[in-house]
Amino acid sequence: EPEVTQTPSHQVTQMGQEVILRCVPISNHLYFYWYRQILGQKVEFLVSFYNNEISEKSEIFDDQFSVERPDGSNFTLKIRSTKLEDSAMYFCASSEAIGNPYNQPQHFGDGTRLSIL
Amino acid sequence: AQTVTQSQPEMSVQEAETVTLSCTYDTSESDYYLFWYKQPPSRQMILVIRQEAYKQQNATENRFSVNFQKAAKSFSLKISDSQLGDAAMYFCAYDMETSGSRLTFGEGTQLTVNP
Repeated sequence: EPEVTQTPSHQVTQMGQEVILRCVPISNHLYFYWYRQILGQKVEFLVSFYNNEISEKSEIFDDQFSVERPDGSNFTLKIRSTKLEDSAMYFCASSEAIGNPYNQPQHFGDGTRLSIL
Repeated sequence: AQTVTQSQPEMSVQEAETVTLSCTYDTSESDYYLFWYKQPPSRQMILVIRQEAYKQQNATENRFSVNFQKAAKSFSLKISDSQLGDAAMYFCAYDMETSGSRLTFGEGTQLTVNP
């Protein structure tokens, strides 16, 4: 079964450094998402992306964050100047875009654990 | 804004027994989707079951079934014949009908399965 893949599985970065988290969504999916989960807390939505632009973003997704689809397969999340509070598990997800307006379920990757020192 | 609440931080069940995890939500929408996701210790998020709000029939997926009460805004997950591999954090989630919209998650319920 097709999967969403994320790399790396664990990223350790010094505070203030830039970090890029990478995701390869399922190939026929057109909607892409980033979520984060701070240890012990609920999963929170960051951003959704469709047709090469941001569809929706949460209040968490401030100017330090950006997303990009640099080629036909990758979807990246960049944090420009990391802070201690950015330490979390970051999940990428993707969904199909068929049968509009009927929503298609989001499929998640295994996550990248980001540790800011 | 939509909210999802899971009032049971932890639940436990004996192997082969049945357990029900609770979830309530709040929305002003009439059409939406509800999900249960499972997060084992490996931390991946696995879709367990999905319910469309316009469907009156409760969704089932093998040993997993839901009790969807739209008027009460309640969406519980029943796991029958519990197995050791069912041990995980379970998240209830809400999604609007529109494609590409955000998932709103509950706080999660940690399920322990005792041998």
